[in-house]
Amino acid sequence: GAVVSQHPSWVICKSGTSVKIECRSLDFQATTMFWYRQFPKQSLMLMATSNEGSKATYEQGVEKDKFLINHASLTLSTLTVTSAHPEDSSFYICSARDRTTGGGGNGYTFGSGTRLTVV
Amino acid sequence: DQQVKQNSPSLSVQEGRISILNCDYTNSMFDYFLWYKKYPAEGPTFLISISSIKDKNEDGRFTVFLNKSAKHLSLHIVPSQPGDSAVYFCAASGGGPGRRALTFGSGTRLQVQP
Repeated sequence: GAVVSQHPSWVICKSGTSVKIECRSLDFQATTMFWYRQFPKQSLMLMATSNEGSKATYEQGVEKDKFLINHASLTLSTLTVTSAHPEDSSFYICSARDRTTGGGGNGYTFGSGTRLTVV
Repeated sequence: DQQVKQNSPSLSVQEGRISILNCDYTNSMFDYFLWYKKYPAEGPTFLISISSIKDKNEDGRFTVFLNKSAKHLSLHIVPSQPGDSAVYFCAASGGGPGRRALTFGSGTRLQVQP
């Protein structure tokens, strides 16, 4: 089935540094990638939507200069948290969608998530 | 403004009995609904989905019911097993023109007692 590989699974970084999270679709073309964030015991909140080769569309309240999204190829999308602060500590999850076959899970294939802790 | 709501944060059920998880939504443009199972620090696992043109979809022990007029859907798990213990999220897509991103509810923690 469709698989999205997300790395790293966890990362601890110092305040003020940047962290890059990668999501790769392994057996399908991810024409659209969604990035979510989940705080403890809360829902998954959509941060941004990116289409391959286009600029990402950010949800209201999400700083595009802080959360840089690159979707330069059909198999790779990255989220870079720039100048991270403790309040950015969260669980980040990507979800890929293939316009042709829909990917897995009725069209949405999720990565395994990245636990970011900023100290 | 929460467009997808799961009003029960937790549910406890005896093994072998039915688990019913509920979800309400407010956006009438949603046209596709999904249920996911999730463990901490893992990505969601897809369970079952339903299109807005249907009112029921069944897959093994899992059945999803959709009541469009009430903007309500539910997930039935029969029989419940201890391995079903997890957090369950309902999600909806199609909430706007060309919008296919999923909007998630806040989740319900299901505990199946042996």
